[in-house]
Amino acid sequence: EVQLVESGGGLVQPGGSLRLSCEASGFTFSAYEMNWVRQAPGKGLEWLSYISRDSSDIYYADSVRARFTISRDNAKNSLYLQMNSLRAEDTAVYYCTKEPPEGRWFDPWGQGTLVTVSS
Amino acid sequence: AIQMTQSPSSLSASVGDRVTITCRASQGIRDDLGWYQQKSGKAPKLLIYAATSLQSGVPSRFSGSGFGTDFTLTISSLQPEDFATYYCLQDFNYPRTFGQGTKVEIK
Repeated sequence: EVQLVESGGGLVQPGGSLRLSCEASGFTFSAYEMNWVRQAPGKGLEWLSYISRDSSDIYYADSVRARFTISRDNAKNSLYLQMNSLRAEDTAVYYCTKEPPEGRWFDPWGQGTLVTVSS
Repeated sequence: AIQMTQSPSSLSASVGDRVTITCRASQGIRDDLGWYQQKSGKAPKLLIYAATSLQSGVPSRFSGSGFGTDFTLTISSLQPEDFATYYCLQDFNYPRTFGQGTKVEIK
C-alpha cells in the first residue's frame, strides 16, 4: 500500500524554523516527483513546492520562496521541507503528495501535519 | 500565475441530485486539470485527472469534462458520502494553482 506520512509539525514562534518530513512507503520513492501543499485553517489548498526525482528541478510558490527549502533523500525514502522565518500566516496543515510518472496530478496525499506559528 | 476561478463557492443539494461544479482558467491549460475531493478533517483525494479521466476506484457517478479554459465536474446522482469540498487544480505549469473550492452541503 502506498503511504505518505508527514511529521515535524508543531508550535513555533514567529521568526522561527521548523523542518517537516514525509516518509514514503509502498512504492519506489526515487521514481516519483513530489510536492508540498498546505491548507490554512478554514481556507483552501495552496501549492507550495515541487521537486523532481533527482532534485535537479525545484519550484516554489512566491509566498514561500527564499524562506522554505524542499529536499529529498531517496536512500531514506523521505521528502523534507525546511521552513525558516516563519510567520503567523504560515499556520496550516502541510501535506506531501506524489505525482505519477505518466502525469502531473497529485495522488495520494499524506494525512498532513499541523504547523502553528504563534507567540 | 494562472488563476483558477471555481464556482459556485458552495451549494446545497439533495441525495439523488445532479451536481455541476465549474472551473475556469485565466489562460488555456489544454486538459491539464484535476479534481479533488476533501472531506472534513481529511486529506484531499484525487477524483479526476487530465480533465476527463476517472481515477481508479472512484465511482462512475463522477465525471469531468472540458479543455482549454473551461472545465466541469459532474456528480450524476449525489450520494450521502459525496458531501464534501471539491477543488480543481491546474497542472499545466508552475506555480500550480487551485480553485477556491466548492462546498457541497445537504439541503
